[in-house]
Amino acid sequence: AQTVTQSQPEMSVQEAETVTLSCTYDTSESNYYLFWYKQPPSRQMILVIRQEAYKQQNATENRFSVNFQKAAKSFSLKISDSQLGDTAMYFCAFVNFGNEKLTFGTGTRLTIIP
Amino acid sequence: NAGVTQTPKFQVLKTGQSMTLQCAQDMNHNSMYWYRQDPGMGLRLIYYSASEGTTDKGEVPNGYNVSRLNKREFSLRLESAAPSQTSVYFCASGSGTGVRNSPLHFGNGTRLTVT
Repeated sequence: AQTVTQSQPEMSVQEAETVTLSCTYDTSESNYYLFWYKQPPSRQMILVIRQEAYKQQNATENRFSVNFQKAAKSFSLKISDSQLGDTAMYFCAFVNFGNEKLTFGTGTRLTIIP
Repeated sequence: NAGVTQTPKFQVLKTGQSMTLQCAQDMNHNSMYWYRQDPGMGLRLIYYSASEGTTDKGEVPNGYNVSRLNKREFSLRLESAAPSQTSVYFCASGSGTGVRNSPLHFGNGTRLTVT
């Protein structure tokens, strides 16, 4: 069974700083997809960034980037120039190719301090 | 554009009562999903429907039933609620290319308490 582990239950950083959220996963498959979802206090889940395992290049979306280490099964999220609106729960998620069962980690609560 | 709409937003049930959580999407998506979110456990998939007329079990299906009424609507039913089903429930939808290729669009959740 696939598992996703987020070892940082809570983090806080000053506004404008850079923060990195950790995620590790376990799978025996070679073709899969990884995601970071954001859940602000409104409870709405929002996709932040997506990475395909067969692509070596790390995905980026504006201030958000990932460090994907396939051999280490690590998928960390870096938020640059953090903003107050980045305050949210962040979930790492995983799905195997050909599967619809998205597996989520337990989340990291990120607080941006003004 | 409403996206994914869930009703109700909040619900309190007594043990043994039944209820149906409603979900509708207006994005013409093929796939729809029901998740539950519990503290310290992330989101867990209850059931999903890859297309109209099909449903499949997820990680935690026991105690639930689903109906894909049409392309827009996917309901979740608790026949006999138990305190262990106290949770926040999320409905989500995705385009027909699958969850790996398209982001899931989530509703705002239903907070259910079973006493």
